[in-house]
Amino acid sequence: ETGVTQSPTHLIKTRGQQVTLRCSSQSGHNTVSWYQQALGQGPQFIFQYYREEENGRGNFPPRFSGLQFPNYSSELNVNALELDDSALYLCASSLPGQGIDEQYFGPGTRLTVT
Amino acid sequence: AQKVTQAQTEISVVEKEDVTLDCVYETRDTTYYLFWYKQPPSGELVFLIRRNSFDEQNEISGRYSWNFQKSTSSFNFTITASQVVDSAVYFCALEQGGSEKLVFGKGTKLTVNP
Repeated sequence: ETGVTQSPTHLIKTRGQQVTLRCSSQSGHNTVSWYQQALGQGPQFIFQYYREEENGRGNFPPRFSGLQFPNYSSELNVNALELDDSALYLCASSLPGQGIDEQYFGPGTRLTVT
Repeated sequence: AQKVTQAQTEISVVEKEDVTLDCVYETRDTTYYLFWYKQPPSGELVFLIRRNSFDEQNEISGRYSWNFQKSTSSFNFTITASQVVDSAVYFCALEQGGSEKLVFGKGTKLTVNP
């Protein structure tokens, strides 16, 4: 039990639609990272938020965007969904400066785009 | 560019056998961190170990051991006397020093049969 929760667990959307995925971090964890894990692949870094500001981004288009809130929750928004967006989306939270060994992953949201 | 290669896609062993999971990495950074994570069917990533680039000492934790060799850019993971509960996908990952952004390999699916 990592104390990081994600909702929903599963989601099915149609190509072209928009989706919002949610992550609730451990209290005090003001750094959150999002990863996309396609089937049979390792997770890929999407972006990171620190104190409600984007703090680094991977190789993902602008239709992937995020928000972080003062209550340690965060969102990942994806616009104009494509079939290749089907994946497990993982969030991970940590305290800044604690290092990734203190970063905790949630169970993920499995998104299917049809 | 940073890259992590896990050449073994799937490994199947019988309980009590020893098994080694291979990881080869590429980076131009002098300061970096290497990780191993376990991903059970539930989906969330479980942190196993972090090793920094300046510490080449091998580490043992119970039935788990890690062999870090900078000369061959490898960070291999051995499970001794494997158990059915070890069945999972294992990921090796690389972090550019202090960035808290991970680059993952594609993972090795380990199946331990009774």
